Amino acid sequence: QLHLQESGPGLLKASETLSLTCTVSGAAISRTDYYWGWIRQTPGKGLECIGSVDYSGTTYHTPSFKSRVTISVDTSKNQFSLKLTSVTAADTGVYFCGRHVIVPAAIWFDPWGQGTLVTVSS
Amino acid sequence: SQELTQPPSVSVSPGQTARITCSGDALSKQYISWYQQRPGQAPVLMIYKDSERPSGIPERFSGSNSGATVTLTISGVQAEDEADYYCQSADSSGKYHVAFGGGTKLTVL
Repeated sequence: QLHLQESGPGLLKASETLSLTCTVSGAAISRTDYYWGWIRQTPGKGLECIGSVDYSGTTYHTPSFKSRVTISVDTSKNQFSLKLTSVTAADTGVYFCGRHVIVPAAIWFDPWGQGTLVTVSS
Repeated sequence: SQELTQPPSVSVSPGQTARITCSGDALSKQYISWYQQRPGQAPVLMIYKDSERPSGIPERFSGSNSGATVTLTISGVQAEDEADYYCQSADSSGKYHVAFGGGTKLTVL
């Protein structure tokens, strides 16, 4: 059974870089038919998709995050990671990693990790 | 960009049918997914491609798309179905512009 687990610091100061890692178990991250990505849930904007990466490192980013986001994959560790630069209080929320399915005219997310709370202090 | 609109809340009694709607400009061009989120938990995929149900999801959950409005229907609602439900689509303007609705709180009376 596919399982994903987020890890990383839960408390940051404004202007710092948020770094999270997602460890995948139950499936090889090198599968060519899956993407892996990040979604966050904030009090201000609800659920937002940040971006996805595939086994080769090809990435997709939601435009509003593109200038601040790096998503990378490490197939040797079966992990993928998120870096979000120059964080502000608006970036406070729960960050979920998950498997992203991208097919013509559809994108869906299944399963999700349990989520990790990130708080940005000013 | 795509915006998806959901009613903030829906209330039903146990055993009744709950219908949660999701409306947006380009729903006829994109498939919708639905997620259930219980307090303190991660969202769970309930429906994808408008009406497909992942394995393990009870048959009482179904989805439909009439073009301008997409509906999640829960037949024979149970107390355990009380949760927030979110619709999600991909923006019709590009391959990777994902939109989520604001969520609907389902209350089982």
